[in-house]
Amino acid sequence: DIQLTQSPSFLSASVGDRVTITCRASQGISNYLAWYQQKPGKAPKVLIYAASTLQSGVPSRFSGSGSGTEFTLTISSLQPEDFATYYCQQLNSYLFGPGTKVHIK
Amino acid sequence: EVQLVESGGGLEKPGGSLRLSCAASGLTFSNAWMSWVRQAPGKGLEWVGRIKSKTDGGTTDYAAPVKGRFTISRDDSKNTLYLQMNSLKTEDTAVYYCSGLGYDFWSGAYYFDYWGQGTLVTVSS
Repeated sequence: DIQLTQSPSFLSASVGDRVTITCRASQGISNYLAWYQQKPGKAPKVLIYAASTLQSGVPSRFSGSGSGTEFTLTISSLQPEDFATYYCQQLNSYLFGPGTKVHIK
Repeated sequence: EVQLVESGGGLEKPGGSLRLSCAASGLTFSNAWMSWVRQAPGKGLEWVGRIKSKTDGGTTDYAAPVKGRFTISRDDSKNTLYLQMNSLKTEDTAVYYCSGLGYDFWSGAYYFDYWGQGTLVTVSS
């Protein structure tokens, strides 16, 4: 089975920082990857699918890249509403990564 | 606006059964692939299972921890998705979300586009 890892698990950052989260797959998955944002007590929200396609309505400060086994989610300038947990998901098996919690420094 | 509203959660004893429902509106439900995702308290997201649209075969797939115990079904006449959970275990305690899948024509991938607010299932004696 394909496994997903995310790094870092926790990230402290300040408003305005550029933030990068990495998701690695144990085998190549082409571009079959999505990124989700989840705030406490809320349902997840899709940000990026097919590795780099920005979901409609998601701010352009979010971007995704990668293919094969290594993927990144980048927030170009962190905003107060971006403090949340971020999950990657492999879109063949629907497996989620363990998550990256972004909190305020 | 797409709305997914889960119901049916609650407290159940180990070995018992529960049926969750997810009422959908604002989308062509009969064409939608649907899924269940759960989240144990303080933990990450875990995919539970998926059902395709009937036009795509209506087939189901399940995650290993629930296979043989959980069954996903749909009633397109009622725009409702179901999750029948049998032989419940304490480790099934979680918030259960239903999700409607979006389709990316370029990659051919399905992703989890729409989400309900979740319903809490607690399995405890």
